[in-house]
Amino acid sequence: GAVVSQHPSWVICKSGTSVKIECRSLDFQATTMFWYRQFPKQSLMLMATSNEGSKATYEQGVEKDKFLINHASLTLSTLTVTSAHPEDSSFYICSARDSGGAGGYTFGSGTRLTVV
Amino acid sequence: QQQVKQSPQSLIVQKGGISIINCAYENTAFDYFPWYQQFPGKGPALLIAIRPDVSEKKEGRFTISFNKSAKQFSLHIMDSQPGDSATYFCAASINDYKLSFGAGTTVTVRA
Repeated sequence: GAVVSQHPSWVICKSGTSVKIECRSLDFQATTMFWYRQFPKQSLMLMATSNEGSKATYEQGVEKDKFLINHASLTLSTLTVTSAHPEDSSFYICSARDSGGAGGYTFGSGTRLTVV
Repeated sequence: QQQVKQSPQSLIVQKGGISIINCAYENTAFDYFPWYQQFPGKGPALLIAIRPDVSEKKEGRFTISFNKSAKQFSLHIMDSQPGDSATYFCAASINDYKLSFGAGTTVTVRA
């Protein structure tokens, strides 16, 4: 089945630094990937839609300059949290839709970001 | 504004019992209704999904019931097992695009 690999699974960074999270579709091509943020015991909140070869589409209230998304190939999207602050600490999850599948979305295993 | 309303927030069921989670939506343009299972520290995994032209779909111990006129759909977990203890999310999308998630239900199966 479709597999999405997300890396790293956890990261601790100092306040003010930037962190890059990678999301790869391993066995299918994904023209569209999605990035979510999840707080403890809460649902997934869509941050942005990543489109291969074009600019990402951000949801209302998400700072595009803080959360940089790049989707340079059909199998890789990256989320960079710039100038991270403790309030950016969260669980970040990507997903991709296998265009060959019956509407199925496959999720990565998530990245736990802790900003200290 | 949550487009998909999910209940209950949590439930406890005995091993072998039935877990039932309900979701309701307003947007009649939704045409894909999946259920996801999430364990702590992991990403969600697709359990089962349905489209509005079908009223019920069963896969193993998991069944989705879909009521188009009531704009509701539910997940039934039969013969619940301790390994089913997880958080379950319903979701909906239009034209296989962005998913709108419910708030989630934490299921605890007591041995």
